[in-house]
Amino acid sequence: EAQVTQNPRYLITVTGKKLTVTCSQNMNHEYMSWYRQDPGLGLRQIYYSMNVEVTDKGDVPEGYKVSRKEKRNFPLILESPSPNQTSLYFCASSAGAGTEAFFGQGTRLTVV
Amino acid sequence: GQNIDQPTEMTATEGAIVQINCTYQTSGFNGLFWYQQHAGEAPTFLSYNVLDGLEEKGRFSSFLSRSKGYSYLLLKELQMKDSASYLCAFVSSGSARQLTFGSGTQLTVLP
Repeated sequence: EAQVTQNPRYLITVTGKKLTVTCSQNMNHEYMSWYRQDPGLGLRQIYYSMNVEVTDKGDVPEGYKVSRKEKRNFPLILESPSPNQTSLYFCASSAGAGTEAFFGQGTRLTVV
Repeated sequence: GQNIDQPTEMTATEGAIVQINCTYQTSGFNGLFWYQQHAGEAPTFLSYNVLDGLEEKGRFSSFLSRSKGYSYLLLKELQMKDSASYLCAFVSSGSARQLTFGSGTQLTVLP
């Protein structure tokens, strides 16, 4: 089954404690992205990747890091989380720009 | 710059027809998507328009006018399960940034 898998689904953490949200896709897609979704603001892109070892900033990259060492995986790293990073996060993959994006089930992160 | 706008909320009655509008501004437009998102769930693909005109897919249709920077999603024979947020998103040509999303339109279907 074609899917994008994120883990964990829910996470509560404390300010400053490094965390990683994993994302994996099994469709051999080149493009992967991370979004955060906040009430009234819609989905905002954090980082995206066009292929292995190729990443770039989206609209709201501050406080986040990503890596793309393998085609299937695109982890999101918060080196020092802060309460304003409390949000619902989605990973997405697609075959290319302008093609349907497949989303993971989301990670609800709370930073206290 | 880039901008995309859609109404925040809409309400309609079961069995009715509803049209959700989306306007956008971007350079190098390369297509517009509609996604459906139920509360707390992932967005799921509904439609993609790259050329002007109407694309019909069952109860859902999507229209695009590139010259006007305008799209709409038409939902017919509304069902309670259609209560969800509907997101429009455009793709800018020459950009690898994929999708720029609107804030979403929360549709409530009443019995």
